[in-house]
This record gives sequence, C-alpha cells and structure tokens, in this order.
Amino acid sequence: NAGVTQTPKFQVLKTGQSMTLQCAQDMNHEYMSWYRQDPGMGLRLIHYSVGAGITDQGEVPNGYNVSRSTTEDFPLRLLSAAPSQTSVYFCASSYSELGGTDTQYFGPGTRLTVL
Amino acid sequence: AQSVAQPEDQVNVAEGNPLTVKCTYSVSGNPYLFWYVQYPNRGLQFLLKYITGDNLVKGSYGFEAEFNKSQTSFHLKKPSALVSDSALYFCAVRDRNSGYSTLTFGKGTMLLVSP
Repeated sequence: NAGVTQTPKFQVLKTGQSMTLQCAQDMNHEYMSWYRQDPGMGLRLIHYSVGAGITDQGEVPNGYNVSRSTTEDFPLRLLSAAPSQTSVYFCASSYSELGGTDTQYFGPGTRLTVL
Repeated sequence: AQSVAQPEDQVNVAEGNPLTVKCTYSVSGNPYLFWYVQYPNRGLQFLLKYITGDNLVKGSYGFEAEFNKSQTSFHLKKPSALVSDSALYFCAVRDRNSGYSTLTFGKGTMLLVSP
C-alpha cells in the first residue's frame, strides 16, 4: 500500500491564484481530513469527510473548498490564494470516525508559499 | 469545546536519561487521547493512544503514556532517550461522546536529545 499520498510536495503561488492540492489513499478509509500546520499553532482542521459525497467544515475552512466524489480522493481547493494561506498542508485518513478510536494516517505534506 | 495544552515548547534531555513530554486536555465528556510524532519534513506518525482500560499505554519505539483522569493529563514518557527520538511531538484529544467529532491537536513540543 502507498498509504496517503499528496501532490505537489512544494508550490509557490501569487496572491489571487487558485490551485488544487491532491490527496489520495489506498486503504479504503472512510474518513479523510485536511489540516494546516503553522509554527506555534499545531495542526488545525480545515475540512473533513466521513465518506464519499459527505464533507464538513473544520476549525479554519475559509478560503478553501473540498469535495469527495470517490472514497480514495479528497482534493483541497484554494479559491483565491492569500499570503495568510502560506503553510504546510497535511491530508489524513482513517478507517472510520464512528466512535472516534481509529488512528489517523498522515500524508507527507504539501509546503505552500503564497507571495 | 475540547482543547489540548502542551506547556513546553521544547524539552532537552541527554541520551540515556528518561524523558517526559507533558500534555493536559479539556473535554466535556470522556476523552480519547493520542500521541503523534513528526520527524523533519515528514508527516505525522502515530505513537500510541488511550481509549479505555489500563491507564498506562505502551506504544511504538519504547514510548508509553499515562492517562490521569483527575489531573486531566496524558504525559508521554520513555525510560531511556535516544538521539533518534529528537522530533516534534503532538498530543491530541477527541471527546468520545461527540459522534463524528474531530481531533484537536496541541501546539507540539520539540524534543531534543543530546549525545
């Protein structure tokens, strides 16, 4: 299994540009999520999905969109990039969130810089 | 609302000495508690979790953590530190009574083990 994969690894955008961060998992996990990691802030949840066709907002959803058309893929879209979105983005998945005991598996991250 | 506090930004310990990385939490109900580790330029890796039962939880790489309900703490420990343990450690909590509740991470503690 490849686990959780993310592309690209690095990206530089100009303010106002849009882009999609890709995330895929091959473990047949129902639950997928996107976090951003900023120095001194830990990980903050952006959006999550409990299954194909179902998404919900996390702690910091503004400026981001998600969709979940398949179990495997959970792309994160930046609609109009802003310097405040400069961060490292992590995708994670787990088998199920029912009961909340499942371990989350994290991708390697995408380092995004917005100029 | 649920929250996690990791009171130390950095912990320094000499190789061979015991280490402790502190974590306290706040939830309205009973918690599920997790520790993750992040090595440089990598995603987070699961170390251990407390779901129920024995308050002392053993995890990967010789780490263990003790759940203390009265002190609302879940400190990470290892009897003998290795230089290779140097990394960023995150504590996380989920309220077990919240259905599809999300995982809340602390800000992280950098562990530096000197030779």
